[in-house]
Amino acid sequence: AAGVIQSPRHLIKEKRETATLKCYPIPRHDTVYWYQQGPGQDPQFLISFYEKMQSDKGSIPDRFSAQQFSDYHSELNMSSLELGDSALYFCASLDRGDETQYFGPGTRLLVL
Amino acid sequence: AQSVTQLDSHVSVSEGTPVLLRCNYSSSYSPSLFWYVQHPNKGLQLLLKYTSAATLVKGINGFEAEFKKSETSFHLTKPSAHMSDAAEYFCVVTEGTSYGKLTFGQGTILTVHP
Repeated sequence: AAGVIQSPRHLIKEKRETATLKCYPIPRHDTVYWYQQGPGQDPQFLISFYEKMQSDKGSIPDRFSAQQFSDYHSELNMSSLELGDSALYFCASLDRGDETQYFGPGTRLLVL
Repeated sequence: AQSVTQLDSHVSVSEGTPVLLRCNYSSSYSPSLFWYVQHPNKGLQLLLKYTSAATLVKGINGFEAEFKKSETSFHLTKPSAHMSDAAEYFCVVTEGTSYGKLTFGQGTILTVHP
């Protein structure tokens, strides 16, 4: 079965650079969520989209922005990167039939 | 507001012995509850979920959990641990329907000894 796809899987950036993370939900899933998992931490909700509109917002820094496109894929744009942004970023898409969020493999971002 | 407390940060068992990972939740509304597992350097995999149907929920790989509203608990159990169960386990809650954001517990690292 198709799963959530995230790209890139690994990313290394310097401080103050920008990064774009991409998420491709499971086909026919219209809702996407982004989570950030710092080293040794539990995942924290950042932002979600339903039908291309922002549906909820969590602890997402102002330096970050995100959007969902007409094909339901989503991109997380991160600017002025800081060392503390180093984390695993997960995307999840929602199956409304079984009310479950399915997670992608994550993008591991390292800021040097 | 919703929250989850996993009572043990680390649990260590011997292969073939029972597993108990404890989770208490707080929610203003009828919660949906989940257990996800994360193997080292891997993504999050759904083990099982409770969404107001049967209170005893069976999941993959022999795991099950019981929703106890009176105790606000959702403990995860398995009768016999396998080496491949070694991973980090997250108890997760969302309020009302499961369409909203997930709130994760702090995680419990399960170690399985031969």
